[in-house]
Amino acid sequence: GDSVTQMEGPVTLSEEAFLTINCTYTATGYPSLFWYVQYPGEGLQLLLKATKADDKGSNKGFEATYRKETTSFHLEKGSVQVSDSAVYFCARSIGGTSYGKLTFGQGTILTVHP
Amino acid sequence: GAVVSQHPSRVICKSGTSVKIECRSLDFQATTMFWYRQFPKQSLMLMATSNEGSKATYEQGVEKDKFLINHASLTLSTLTVTSAHPEDSSFYICSATLLTRSSYEQYFGPGTRLTVT
Repeated sequence: GDSVTQMEGPVTLSEEAFLTINCTYTATGYPSLFWYVQYPGEGLQLLLKATKADDKGSNKGFEATYRKETTSFHLEKGSVQVSDSAVYFCARSIGGTSYGKLTFGQGTILTVHP
Repeated sequence: GAVVSQHPSRVICKSGTSVKIECRSLDFQATTMFWYRQFPKQSLMLMATSNEGSKATYEQGVEKDKFLINHASLTLSTLTVTSAHPEDSSFYICSATLLTRSSYEQYFGPGTRLTVT
């Protein structure tokens, strides 16, 4: 079935460090891929997305490239800030559409220290 | 951007009682909303798809008689946890689908923390 496997955390970094959070997905259909972020006490917010192979999603310095050959959608940021501390979720659309129904990875807690 | 609200944000109830959680799309109409459950330090689990004007579609393993969903209007879906028990304690999150010209966008509510004592 449709699933997403995400790098286990928690991840602890110093400010300005390089961030990678790995995400792989099951290669059924032609899913859209997403990264969501959940700040403490808040709901999920869409961070970035990619709808087809080789697309690169980017936002707020974060990037992820849809890699069909490796079924991956790793999240990267060149220089993290304390304000990036949050839980990050990788997700894919279910059933090969971008209709809105999603399956999520387990989430990765990121803590950035000054 | 589009905003989705949930009410209440936190609720504590006694075992055996029922609790209603509201999900509203504040500035757009949503024909489809989704209800998720999030356990501590775990991912979101899709519970059901709420369609305006029709019955909800439940995921496998989710009891439809326990988790009643009503999507009465294009801006409101409600989740009622009936005869709640401590194991129903969780964080419940809704999302609403905004149809754009070229795709669908999902907007999430801030979640409702349910504690059953």
